[in-house]
Amino acid sequence: GENVEQHPSTLSVQEGDSAVIKCTYSDSASNYFPWYKQELGKRPQLIIDIRSNVGEKKDQRIAVTLNKTAKHFSLHITETQPEDSAVYFCAAMSSGGSNYKLTFGKGTLLTVNP
Amino acid sequence: ETGVTQSPTHLIKTRGQQVTLRCSSQSGHNTVSWYQQALGQGPQFIFQYYREEENGRGNFPPRFSGLQFPNYSSELNVNALELDDSALYLCASSLKGGETQYFGPGTRLLVL
Repeated sequence: GENVEQHPSTLSVQEGDSAVIKCTYSDSASNYFPWYKQELGKRPQLIIDIRSNVGEKKDQRIAVTLNKTAKHFSLHITETQPEDSAVYFCAAMSSGGSNYKLTFGKGTLLTVNP
Repeated sequence: ETGVTQSPTHLIKTRGQQVTLRCSSQSGHNTVSWYQQALGQGPQFIFQYYREEENGRGNFPPRFSGLQFPNYSSELNVNALELDDSALYLCASSLKGGETQYFGPGTRLLVL
């Protein structure tokens, strides 16, 4: 089955700096890669996603890149703000079969210091 | 458009008991997936329901079972609770054939 590795497990940055979180996946059939932000005690919230036919996607301060050959994808947050502090999860999905199961990484605790 | 809702928000049970958790999918969504999130971990896929049938299952024993109703809401049942079942249980709704999954707020289960 799919295995997703996520690094780093914790990341501390100064407000205004950039943050990068990296994930690798094992199943070459995976073709959908969402990123979720989870604040303490809250639900995972989809912040951006990318499909395998695209190499990069941006949404304001957030961008995701995908390298299908190397089987890795990354989340980039620019101009970080204290409200970006949360746990971020990457996930992978193979949607070619009959079910659409997400396999998650273990998460990255991002702390943005004012 | 209403979001995904779950009930109850918190639950305390003892070992050996049974529990039922409920999920209402987002308006227009016909597929519900259930995940278990242990403390400090990412969510792990339990199973998915579409058209009232199980449509894929993760590495969870048969004492984890579910239902989906004609209105697409869903239940997760866990029998013979074990201490390790203590976790946040999340449901996510989506459209069949669509990858994007939207999560509910979760039910936090504590097994003593």
